[in-house]
Amino acid sequence: AQKITQTQPGMFVQEKEAVTLDCTYDTSDPSYGLFWYKQPSSGEMIFLIYQGSYDQQNATEGRYSLNFQKARKSANLVISASQLGDSAMYFCAMRETNSGGSNYKLTFGKGTLLTVNP
Amino acid sequence: GAGVSQSPRYKVAKRGQDVALRCDPISGHVSLFWYQQALGQGPEFLTYFQNEAQLDKSGLPSDRFFAERPEGSVSTLKIQRTQQEDSAVYLCASSLTSLFGEQFFGPGTRLTVL
Repeated sequence: AQKITQTQPGMFVQEKEAVTLDCTYDTSDPSYGLFWYKQPSSGEMIFLIYQGSYDQQNATEGRYSLNFQKARKSANLVISASQLGDSAMYFCAMRETNSGGSNYKLTFGKGTLLTVNP
Repeated sequence: GAGVSQSPRYKVAKRGQDVALRCDPISGHVSLFWYQQALGQGPEFLTYFQNEAQLDKSGLPSDRFFAERPEGSVSTLKIQRTQQEDSAVYLCASSLTSLFGEQFFGPGTRLTVL
């Protein structure tokens, strides 16, 4: 079974509007972390935001916020006030803290290609 | 400060050639990771170093893949007798601590095997 599922291969948004990128995950570990990375065409993975499984509040970083619904095992990324420079691939990833000692591995989804239209 | 750098950025190899991909992590970072990203996919874990020790190589796809980090800083991923299915972007990441630290990624090396 996929550990990270991103069901949207591509998304379009108008500049200045908000967009939500979906991510669901599958784990039996009680302790885990969820990450979102941005990958522009240059190839580098840029860290955006992190949510720990025990965090009470949803994470926010500037225009990025994470809509964390633990019972539904979803960790959607919300980008507010989209900018042209936000056009990129976005990856959701998970690190399982108690995964038999390999609690450093990131497991990634297949990504969502976001296009921001002017 | 300098981030993670990788070289070469692009590599074209003929099937059967050996290749070596270099990663320079952020200075002082204990942990170093290699990931393989096939076209249209997310990165997949290959191997993990803590300083010079290779603690996990469970993601290496075959014994043609070999990684080293002899002095605990620069790392090299070597692929012997390359095959077409090895074509991918190879990403290197480093983190300051061995556990829980944010992983900082390099720009990757795009390997094309003809």
